[in-house]
Amino acid sequence: GIQVEQSPPDLILQEGANSTLRCNFSDSVNNLQWFHQNPWGQLINLFYIPSGTKQNGRLSATTVATERYSLLYISSSQTTDSGVYFCAVEQIDSNYQLIWGAGTKLIIKP
Amino acid sequence: NAGVMQNPRHLVRRRGQEARLRCSPMKGHSHVYWYRQLPEEGLKFMVYLQKENIIDESGMPKERFSAEFPKEGPSILRIQQVVRGDSAAYFCASSPTEGGLAGEETQYFGPGTRLLVL
Repeated sequence: GIQVEQSPPDLILQEGANSTLRCNFSDSVNNLQWFHQNPWGQLINLFYIPSGTKQNGRLSATTVATERYSLLYISSSQTTDSGVYFCAVEQIDSNYQLIWGAGTKLIIKP
Repeated sequence: NAGVMQNPRHLVRRRGQEARLRCSPMKGHSHVYWYRQLPEEGLKFMVYLQKENIIDESGMPKERFSAEFPKEGPSILRIQQVVRGDSAAYFCASSPTEGGLAGEETQYFGPGTRLLVL
């Protein structure tokens, strides 16, 4: 089955710093989503981005489907950005199963 | 417009007891998915249901686990005779249509139920 790898596994930054999180996937996908799991465990949809670039405030994401990777950019980090960021993809031959990466754990220090 | 609702948020069971987890999808959503998350891992697909139908249960253990999505009421994930290895966070997601349709956000997630088996 498809493999989803995220890097780095852990990231510790000072408030105000910028960061780039990466998601590589091993096969073509219908869909790619980025999620933020906050320290209380809640999952928040960030982007639905099977291809192209999207921006939402300080966050933006780019997926290059032909090269099988996606990047999540966080600018001017705030302590509330802390948590785990997951990338999840939907395989071409499956219209519903989301296959998840192991996540990037982000800690923003004040 | 309420999001996906799950209850209880936390559930403690002793080994051998039954656990029932409930999920109410977003209004207008007829597709429900259950995922399990072990500590320090991403989510793993368990089962996909539509009203009164199990579409795909390939990710669900064949014994002790069952799921339903009745015509009326929430979707239920049932774990019989729980064991310590069942301790995990169980997330429910819903979508208005089967995922993968162009231009549609696919799955919206509930807050999860954290199951602890003593």
